[in-house]
Amino acid sequence: QVQLQESGPGLVKPSETLSLTCTVSGGSISSYYWSWIRQPPGKGLEWIGQIYYTGNTNYNPSLKSRVTMSLDMSKNQFSLKLNSVTAADTAVYYCATLRLIEDAYWGQGTLVTVSS
Amino acid sequence: QTVVTQEPSFSVSPGGTVTLTCGLSSGSVSPSYYPSWYQQTPGQAPRTLIYNTNTRSSGVPDRFSGSILGNKAALTITGAQADDESDYYCVLYMGSGIWVFGGGTKLTVL
Repeated sequence: QVQLQESGPGLVKPSETLSLTCTVSGGSISSYYWSWIRQPPGKGLEWIGQIYYTGNTNYNPSLKSRVTMSLDMSKNQFSLKLNSVTAADTAVYYCATLRLIEDAYWGQGTLVTVSS
Repeated sequence: QTVVTQEPSFSVSPGGTVTLTCGLSSGSVSPSYYPSWYQQTPGQAPRTLIYNTNTRSSGVPDRFSGSILGNKAALTITGAQADDESDYYCVLYMGSGIWVFGGGTKLTVL
């Protein structure tokens, strides 16, 4: 059973860069596409983007200019960087796999607050 | 950018049947969008109910079913129970590696 766990700072200052890491256990990162999804307080889910083990990435067009995803196969981890953050980027951030014909796996989520 | 539409809220009586839908602002949903449905309660990560249009996730009761109804993906709950009161989200694959979530439906059981 694949398990995912997000980690990173819970507080980021406005205009700085949000950085999160997702650690994958119970499976290899060289399978599947790996996604980041976020949910502002009291609002719905928003897909941020995904990365494949080859390094191929796809991003939400509305966030593309500020997002970078990467992975570290030696640590079975993948990461998210979101730059120039504002209060609107305050959200619970989830890492997950979204797959076409197989079930998804989700992390438990981590709250990131943007505030000075 | 294409918007994925869901009813903002819905209400069902205990034991009743409800169908939530997932549509597109432009066009029709078909199985080639690989619709999935998630249930989310406050403070919890989403839980998969249905993927690939109509495949139930492991452990999901068979009173949850997925389908395509007309031009939308649909999630039907038969024999609604109190603990079905949750937020429900669909997600569609748009092609070219892009996924889009619907805005979610808040289901009330009363």
